[in-house]
Amino acid sequence: DGGITQSPKYLFRKEGQNVTLSCEQNLNHDAMYWYRQDPGQGLRLIYYSQIVNDFQKGDIAEGYSVSREKKESFPLTVTSAQKNPTAFYLCASSISTQNYGYTFGSGTRLTVV
Amino acid sequence: GESVGLHLPTLSVQEGDNSIINCAYSNSASDYFIWYKQESGKGPQFIIDIRSNMDKRQGQRVTVLLNKTVKHLSLQIAATQPGDSAVYFCAENYSYDKVIFGPGTSLSVIP
Repeated sequence: DGGITQSPKYLFRKEGQNVTLSCEQNLNHDAMYWYRQDPGQGLRLIYYSQIVNDFQKGDIAEGYSVSREKKESFPLTVTSAQKNPTAFYLCASSISTQNYGYTFGSGTRLTVV
Repeated sequence: GESVGLHLPTLSVQEGDNSIINCAYSNSASDYFIWYKQESGKGPQFIIDIRSNMDKRQGQRVTVLLNKTVKHLSLQIAATQPGDSAVYFCAENYSYDKVIFGPGTSLSVIP
């Protein structure tokens, strides 16, 4: 079955550490996204990529970095510059960025310890 | 309905009743709208979509209504079941790379 796989499901980060969240899709979608979800708030866009080797900052990109070396993969690194990283992170993909619904992964819950 | 803030609006319905979840969207230029369902600890799932040239679209047990005059979207769930308990949120697409997600409404089904 096609879909998006996020790993790990739970991740703990110490102060000052960088951590990388994995996102892999086998849907042959061009566009991929990273969102952050905090309790009681809508999804906020961190980064998105319309095509391989291209990505754009979203609304809250500070303290995060991404790469898109392969169509299937869009890893997110949460750097030590992100001061409040505890959140639920969602990866999504779509056929393109225009007027198509998203397929979401099951999320990664990141906690700072 | 939708509201901005830290506390999700909550809707409680009796099993078997119909549910109506509302969403006020923000941009009159938005031309594509989607409803998602998110169960606890999981990623959102696509439920139904509607384009701005329509005012109603039906799926299996779900209907989406779009009122562009007042920028309002609603999701109707017929014969609500316990498995429908989740957070529901709308999304609007108003440019090729701009999607805005609402904060969501928590639906609780009473057996």
